[in-house]
Amino acid sequence: GEDVEQSLFLSVREGDSSVINCTYTDSSSTYLYWYKQEPGAGLQLLTYIFSNMDMKQDQRLTVLLNKKDKHLSLRIADTQTGDSAIYFCAETPRSGGYNKLIFGAGTRLAVHP
Amino acid sequence: DVKVTQSSRYLVKRTGEKVFLECVQDMDHENMFWYRQDPGLGLRLIYFSYDVKMKEKGDIPEGYSVSREKKERFSLILESASTNQTSMYLCASSLRQGSHNEQFFGPGTRLTVL
Repeated sequence: GEDVEQSLFLSVREGDSSVINCTYTDSSSTYLYWYKQEPGAGLQLLTYIFSNMDMKQDQRLTVLLNKKDKHLSLRIADTQTGDSAIYFCAETPRSGGYNKLIFGAGTRLAVHP
Repeated sequence: DVKVTQSSRYLVKRTGEKVFLECVQDMDHENMFWYRQDPGLGLRLIYFSYDVKMKEKGDIPEGYSVSREKKERFSLILESASTNQTSMYLCASSLRQGSHNEQFFGPGTRLTVL
């Protein structure tokens, strides 16, 4: 079946790098997504990667994809207090006609001084 | 600027009441979704609609129904609210296109059932 797993908590010091990890099960997923949820708000798309890519960089964000191990990671460089949020990994399985997203439980990132 | 709005940010209802949660999007999207979000469980899909009057069950449809009479509006109905339906409810929409499917989310409705 489809399943996405993430660790629930991560605590980092301001200025350090954060790495949030995710594993997924459906190898047919063509796109994989990272969403961010700030306190009291809905989810917002942070970045995504196409399944034929290994890496994607966007300013302070780096996404790494290991398709063989079905492992996705999000690295945030120079983490700031404004990065404190819940980060969700999501896949788009073919079984949903690529219209549905399967989300992980979310990783709560806490940034401390 | 794309927008998904939900009728209420906070709602308190009593057990057994009928509850309506409304969602409106202004992007002419075909797909609309209702999720519930619970700590440690992430987002779970309740129902999905890919066109007007069309609906598909998600992973946890029991105790819920939906209505989509117009393209821009997707309603979630709790026929008889129960305390285990206390949760954050998120609506989302997306274009029906290919395999890249960015979903746009509303701000959420926090429902408490007493």
